[in-house]
Amino acid sequence: GAVVSQHPSWVICKSGTSVKIECRSLDFQATTMFWYRQFPKQSLMLMATSNEGSKATYEQGVEKDKFLINHASLTLSTLTVTSAHPEDSSFYICSARAPTGSAEAFFGQGTRLTVV
Amino acid sequence: KQEVTQIPAALSVPEGENLVLNCSFTDSAIYNLQWFRQDPGKGLTSLLLIQSSQREQTSGRLNASLDKSSGRSTLYIAASQPGDSATYLCAVSFYNTDKLIFGTGTRLQVFP
Repeated sequence: GAVVSQHPSWVICKSGTSVKIECRSLDFQATTMFWYRQFPKQSLMLMATSNEGSKATYEQGVEKDKFLINHASLTLSTLTVTSAHPEDSSFYICSARAPTGSAEAFFGQGTRLTVV
Repeated sequence: KQEVTQIPAALSVPEGENLVLNCSFTDSAIYNLQWFRQDPGKGLTSLLLIQSSQREQTSGRLNASLDKSSGRSTLYIAASQPGDSATYLCAVSFYNTDKLIFGTGTRLQVFP
């Protein structure tokens, strides 16, 4: 299947700093990528849809100025958590659809963010 | 609003048992349904994808069925092994959007 790579796999940062997470489609081009957030023992919640060359579409309740998304190329989307606070600590996962007609979704390895 | 529910929430069984994990969704106008596996602290691994026009898909010891009219999908795991221990998630997508709506998940533990 298609491969989606996410980096870093974990990061610890101080309150008030910003953290950037990268999501790459390694063997296909993705005009659209998705960012999810997952709290412990809970399911995935969609945060935003990242569109190559245009603005991201955020889900209701997600602060776009807090979670900056940039999709500058067909293989890379980045999520920047700005002025991070402890409540932003979570597991963040990105996803992209396969370019085939099946529209199968593939996920990155996830990033564990801890804000201290 | 589409809701996706999975039953049971947790399951603990001895190895060798055949298992049934259930997924139900409220809006039957889905494009496809996908089953994933998630190991603790890891991303999601795609297991099976069922298009709306299909009734089932099989991969090894896994078989997933889809009944759109009743809003249900079932993941069948044959001859379970300790290595099957993980959280299993189902997710549905729709024709007018690329979004995936995830179920609540089933945490499976298979003990030797």
